[in-house]
Amino acid sequence: DVKVTQSSRYLVKRTGEKVFLECVQDMDHENMFWYRQDPGLGLRLIYFSYDVKMKEKGDIPEGYSVSREKKERFSLILESASTNQTSMYLCASSSASGSRRETQYFGPGTRLLVL
Amino acid sequence: GDSVTQMEGPVTLSEEAFLTINCTYTATGYPSLFWYVQYPGEGLQLLLKATKADDKGSNKGFEATYRKETTSFHLEKGSVQVSDSAVYFCALSKIGGSEKLVFGKGTKLTVNP
Repeated sequence: DVKVTQSSRYLVKRTGEKVFLECVQDMDHENMFWYRQDPGLGLRLIYFSYDVKMKEKGDIPEGYSVSREKKERFSLILESASTNQTSMYLCASSSASGSRRETQYFGPGTRLLVL
Repeated sequence: GDSVTQMEGPVTLSEEAFLTINCTYTATGYPSLFWYVQYPGEGLQLLLKATKADDKGSNKGFEATYRKETTSFHLEKGSVQVSDSAVYFCALSKIGGSEKLVFGKGTKLTVNP
């Protein structure tokens, strides 16, 4: 079974703190994704990585950065957390077949509260 | 740009009722279409998918048919169970080879015994 794990299920941080969210997948997938999920807005893509050290901005990258030093690990960084970044963060991975048919596999999510 | 519109919830049904969740899309070319489900406290998981026009995806009693003429991919189940209570997301794959997904806003389904 594909497994995508996220470092924390719940996280509470203060405004201005630097926050690291970690995601690890065990299926040797090339693609990894970070989304945020908010009520009424669905899932929005923050960043996408298609290879080690490669990244691409998604729809809402402002206030975030990412790091992918190893194929299995994709980190989301909030450089200076703000209250409007309180959200559920979901990581996903997929194989890069180029067919547009590949399933994305999701982690359980990290619910982040910024005070 | 590419987009997905799905019916707003929440939807509340009694057990054994018929379920339809509408999904329509706007896209250039021929995207692949997906339904994902999110059970309480969990991440999303694939429910079913269809990759070309007239394909029918099915899983766990759920079905959806890729209708190119109406740009739709409605989710149906003949008899829902309490365990089907979840949030359902319709999604399409973006053209361009990067395999990113565009999601609808989700529809929350509650099934009462």
